[in-house]
Amino acid sequence: GAVVSQHPSWVICKSGTSVKIECRSLDFQATTMFWYRQFPKQSLMLMATSNEGSKATYEQGVEKDKFLINHASLTLSTLTVTSAHPEDSSFYICSASRLPEAFFGQGTRLTVV
Amino acid sequence: AQSVTQLGSHVSVSEGALVLLRCNYSSSVPPYLFWYVQYPNQGLQLLLKYTSAATLVKGINGFEAEFKKSETSFHLTKPSAHMSDAAEYFCARRADGGYNKLIFGAGTRLAVHP
Repeated sequence: GAVVSQHPSWVICKSGTSVKIECRSLDFQATTMFWYRQFPKQSLMLMATSNEGSKATYEQGVEKDKFLINHASLTLSTLTVTSAHPEDSSFYICSASRLPEAFFGQGTRLTVV
Repeated sequence: AQSVTQLGSHVSVSEGALVLLRCNYSSSVPPYLFWYVQYPNQGLQLLLKYTSAATLVKGINGFEAEFKKSETSFHLTKPSAHMSDAAEYFCARRADGGYNKLIFGAGTRLAVHP
């Protein structure tokens, strides 16, 4: 099966700093990747669609300037949480599209202190 | 509107008992449908998928699901629960418009007790 690797699996940062999360498709090329956010005991909420070589498409209510997405290659998308605040603490999960399925990374637990 | 509804946020079964997790979708055209399992602090693992071929879909770990267009349902079942099945289960549908943008249900937490 296809493998998607997400790094880091957990990170603790100070309020006001930026954090970068990487999502890599290890054995296939993904022109489209997705970033989700999951609050404790809740479902996944789509944040944005990342397309290789073009600007990401953000869902309504998601701040583009706070959650910077870059998809510079067919195997790597990054999510940067800028000027992080405690309310940004959450579980972030990426997925890479290989039709007809989407394959998920392991997730990143972000804690902002 | 495109949506997925999972009935029952918590389901508890005895080990060896039947597992039934319910999922209904809202769509004028049958979408691709998926069931994922999530263990604590981990990503999602695909259990099975419906892509308009066979209506009875078999997945990993003994799970299966039946697509019923008349009921707009895609319920997940397993004949005999195992302790290791305890996890969060998400039903999802592919959103219209291509790619693989998924719309998730709220999730069902399955507890398995001895």
